[in-house]
Amino acid sequence: DSGVTQTPKHLITATGQRVTLRCSPRSGDLSVYWYQQSLDQGLQFLIQYYNGEERAKGNILERFSAQQFPDLHSELNLSSLELGDSALYFCASSVGVVGTEAFFGQGTRLTVV
Amino acid sequence: EDQVTQSPEALRLQEGESSSLNCSYTVSGLRGLFWYRQDPGKGPEFLFTLYSAGEEKEKERLKATLTKKESFLHITAPKPEDSATYLCAVQAGGSQGNLIFGKGTKLSVKP
Repeated sequence: DSGVTQTPKHLITATGQRVTLRCSPRSGDLSVYWYQQSLDQGLQFLIQYYNGEERAKGNILERFSAQQFPDLHSELNLSSLELGDSALYFCASSVGVVGTEAFFGQGTRLTVV
Repeated sequence: EDQVTQSPEALRLQEGESSSLNCSYTVSGLRGLFWYRQDPGKGPEFLFTLYSAGEEKEKERLKATLTKKESFLHITAPKPEDSATYLCAVQAGGSQGNLIFGKGTKLSVKP
């Protein structure tokens, strides 16, 4: 158990809908990262927050947004969902901004039908 | 562009048959190289961090090494429970903490 908690584990929704994925980082970790994993693309970085502030942005679509709250948990919002958004979404956390290992949650499997 | 390439894509070993997995990288200012293990449908599990060329880390049957252009994950006398996908990732220099992942090596160890 990495100490990173993600909910829900599975999510099935229709095209055009909006969903929210939730992540609680390990105790003491200030950085939260979101990654998307699909079969053909591997793990792709979406966005990083550090202590409530956006720190880095990767290949995140404009339909996607995230935030980190004062209690350090984070949410990833996915809207106007398309079939191609079906993937595993992982949250990871680390102590610092850079240079330290990240620990991953068990992921949310999103299926868009 | 920062890039990580892992080879082979898949590796089948007999139990006890040692081998190595390769991770080649090009990155502007390596801050760290990370190895993870991922089981199907699960999150990546952290194994090692390497920071500078010549560094080595060991854990049970696994040993990770780092040069200026690549890293190796050596598996000694593997067991069936070592079967998983092994992911290599780099963190580039700068103020961003994100990891750039390779596509992984899927290892199968047969009894």
